[in-house]
Amino acid sequence: GAVVSQHPSRVICKSGTSVKIECRSLDFQATTMFWYRQFPKQSLMLMATSNEGSKATYEQGVEKDKFLINHASLTLSTLTVTSAHPEDSSFYICSARDGRGHQTQYFGPGTRLLVL
Amino acid sequence: RKEVEQDPGPFNVPEGATVAFNCTYSNSASQSFFWYRQDCRKEPKLLMSVYSSGNEDGRFTAQLNRASQYISLLIRDSKLSDSATYLCVVNETGGGADGLTFGKGTHLIIQP
Repeated sequence: GAVVSQHPSRVICKSGTSVKIECRSLDFQATTMFWYRQFPKQSLMLMATSNEGSKATYEQGVEKDKFLINHASLTLSTLTVTSAHPEDSSFYICSARDGRGHQTQYFGPGTRLLVL
Repeated sequence: RKEVEQDPGPFNVPEGATVAFNCTYSNSASQSFFWYRQDCRKEPKLLMSVYSSGNEDGRFTAQLNRASQYISLLIRDSKLSDSATYLCVVNETGGGADGLTFGKGTHLIIQP
């Protein structure tokens, strides 16, 4: 099946720093990628939709200036958490939509962020 | 607001038993439906899509009732490896163009 990778898998940083998370589709081209966040014992919540070559679409309540998304190629989207604070600590998961066939979304393994 | 509701459980079930999960969704315009499985501290993995006519994949059977906005998953002959959180997932469009809306999940524990 299709493979999506994320890097890093986990990161610990100090409050106020910025953290970049990469999401790559390894064996297919993804014109659309999605970024989700999951807090403990909560459901995955869609943060934004990342479209290759255009601006990301953010869900209500998600600050676009805090969560910067860049989708510069058909296989790579990045999420940068700027000036991270402890409340940003969460499990960030990307998914990539395979444009072929049933256009299934494939999830990356997630990035666990801990802000101290 | 798009919502997907599930019984969080946990469901404690002996190995070999049959277990059923239910899910309701609020947006009647939803087009596609899925069950995902999520293991502890891992990403969700697609278990199966759910079709109006109902569909089966081995020990797993999924049903969709559009009129009641209700989705179900049945697991027969449960295995220890079935222990996980099962996520009911809805998409507004059939092509996956939108992000997915996840339920909080139902936690299943299969006991030996």
